[in-house]
Amino acid sequence: KNQVEQSPQSLIILEGKNCTLQCNYTVSPFSNLRWYKQDTGRGPVSLTIMTFSENTKSNGRYTATLDADTKQSSLHITASQLSDSASYICVVSASYDYKLSFGAGTTVTVRA
Amino acid sequence: EAQVTQNPRYLITVTGKKLTVTCSQNMNHEYMSWYRQDPGLGLRQIYYSMNVEVTDKGDVPEGYKVSRKEKRNFPLILESPSPNQTSLYFCASSGVAESNQPQHFGDGTRLSIL
Repeated sequence: KNQVEQSPQSLIILEGKNCTLQCNYTVSPFSNLRWYKQDTGRGPVSLTIMTFSENTKSNGRYTATLDADTKQSSLHITASQLSDSASYICVVSASYDYKLSFGAGTTVTVRA
Repeated sequence: EAQVTQNPRYLITVTGKKLTVTCSQNMNHEYMSWYRQDPGLGLRQIYYSMNVEVTDKGDVPEGYKVSRKEKRNFPLILESPSPNQTSLYFCASSGVAESNQPQHFGDGTRLSIL
């Protein structure tokens, strides 16, 4: 069964600091990997989408990396702001069907 | 404004009373999907649709029905709701399923089945 595992489950950081979230997956054959941000009480919003041939993609202060050989991805948040407090979800798509495999998410809390 | 609209946003009901959660998108997207989100489990796919009159089961379809008679609408039907269907539900849409387009999510429907 395709799986997506995220770590840590939660983390607390001080405003202005950086942090990195991890995503390991077993989905194969791989199509693309997505990172979403979900604010409390809202639907997820797409941050980045990476295909097999891309190993890094940025969206403002968010930078995602992908190592398709080791089936690992990371999301780096630079100079965190209070508005970065949210759940970050890693989603992986297989190339043989149209189902998406979701990680359980990492909850980030940014404190002043 | 491009959006996915779900109704209702909140609903408390009783076991066995049929209910429908509507989902509508204004982006002319082919692909639509329903998810439920429970604490510690993340988002799990219930049903998806790749186009009008084409629907397929996701990972947790038991107890749910869907239909896709029009491109813009994808209602989720609970024929006989039970307490284990108490959850936060999200509808999402995107362009053609095989593309690398992001999914657009609605703001969610919180269902409580007593």
